[in-house]
Amino acid sequence: AQSVTQLDSHVSVSEGTPVLLRCNYSSSYSPSLFWYVQHPNKGLQLLLKYTSAATLVKGINGFEAEFKKSETSFHLTKPSAHMSDAAEYFCVVSVVRSGGSYIPTFGRGTSLIVHP
Amino acid sequence: EAQVTQNPRYLITVTGKKLTVTCSQNMNHEYMSWYRQDPGLGLRQIYYSMNVEVTDKGDVPEGYKVSRKEKRNFPLILESPSPNQTSLYFCASSPPGQWTIYEQYFGPGTRLTVT
Repeated sequence: AQSVTQLDSHVSVSEGTPVLLRCNYSSSYSPSLFWYVQHPNKGLQLLLKYTSAATLVKGINGFEAEFKKSETSFHLTKPSAHMSDAAEYFCVVSVVRSGGSYIPTFGRGTSLIVHP
Repeated sequence: EAQVTQNPRYLITVTGKKLTVTCSQNMNHEYMSWYRQDPGLGLRQIYYSMNVEVTDKGDVPEGYKVSRKEKRNFPLILESPSPNQTSLYFCASSPPGQWTIYEQYFGPGTRLTVT
């Protein structure tokens, strides 16, 4: 079984300050982990993905995430928030099951609010 | 332009009236799936397809059907919609290979209201 917990439903920051969106996961196997962003009235767009090549993953728009196996975490960070970062963010874990089936599990989302 | 398209984008219907939401991708992806998004619940997978004529249930398949007769198309069918199927629906596709390491490409969403 696998699960994802996004620890904050809302995060509020001021423009220019750091962003931290927290994600913990559980998985019986070595997972792949993703962060997606959803802007209002839009579909989801991939920010970054972890696939066991490197524990620190850099994504688009200055975001990065660090995979910490001992803490089962995959927190998303950005050094300096921009107004355009205001959106919903989803952490996703996926594992290929026996037979090749694949059901990704999404966290419930974190809404990032950026104040001027 | 590489993309996943869904139609319609918005749909209001009544209980019990069969409907189909279409999904098409032009990237030659083998894997396609449908999700519903509800406030506070994130996205939950309804059905997925690993290739033509190969479909399987996701986490919340009750009340839905799918078919995959062509690689590019993966329609979602609600034979007898009910108000609890009011939701925002997303179609997604992934390239061939190892699905766990490839990201999904999402359509723009279909907002369905069942009265």
